[in-house]
Amino acid sequence: NAGVTQTPKFQVLKTGQSMTLQCAQDMNHEYMSWYRQDPGMGLRLIHYSVGAGITDQGEVPNGYNVSRSTTEDFPLRLLSAAPSQTSVYFCASSTDSWSYNEQFFGPGTRLTVL
Amino acid sequence: KNQVEQSPQSLIILEGKNCTLQCNYTVSPFSNLRWYKQDTGRGPVSLTIMTFSENTKSNGRYTATLDADTKQSSLHITASQLSDSASYICVVSLAMDSNYQLIWGAGTKLIIKP
Repeated sequence: NAGVTQTPKFQVLKTGQSMTLQCAQDMNHEYMSWYRQDPGMGLRLIHYSVGAGITDQGEVPNGYNVSRSTTEDFPLRLLSAAPSQTSVYFCASSTDSWSYNEQFFGPGTRLTVL
Repeated sequence: KNQVEQSPQSLIILEGKNCTLQCNYTVSPFSNLRWYKQDTGRGPVSLTIMTFSENTKSNGRYTATLDADTKQSSLHITASQLSDSASYICVVSLAMDSNYQLIWGAGTKLIIKP
């Protein structure tokens, strides 16, 4: 049981490039989410999904796209990278609404945009 | 405005000593409060969750307290170990009919020195 996995662990992009951050979980969790973590700030929700085929925007969705074709996978796409997207990105999953249920986090992807 | 503030920002203590981390929140309506531990380069891991009616909850050497009247929580670590070096994040959940109403604190970085 690997839990939540993320790839890559590190990535450097140039401004304007696009890329996809991968996230997978093997716990059969319905809820999945993407956060970014910046120094001195709390985690901020980018996008989330409450099940396969269902996604919604979080607090800071601009510049990012998501899709959820399977229960296991929830990739995050950066359409045209900007220096402001330099951050550490975390994927998380939970059995149900994270208002009450623990979220399980992946190890993160550290992204630098030059 | 819903906010979670943690203090201190960082703390250095000697191995074996006790410490207390603070979390003050101005979140309404309040549902529950969770403490996470985040090791360097890893995702957050839940330590404990407290609801409105709970005053104290322990998880090994970690004891969390909640005062819903003053809107304060603390995390007390007893007999610290080197492995306790991490960031500790306080998260408050709003009692709203919404999937993503979590307010994250910026965390306290704790360093344990031998």
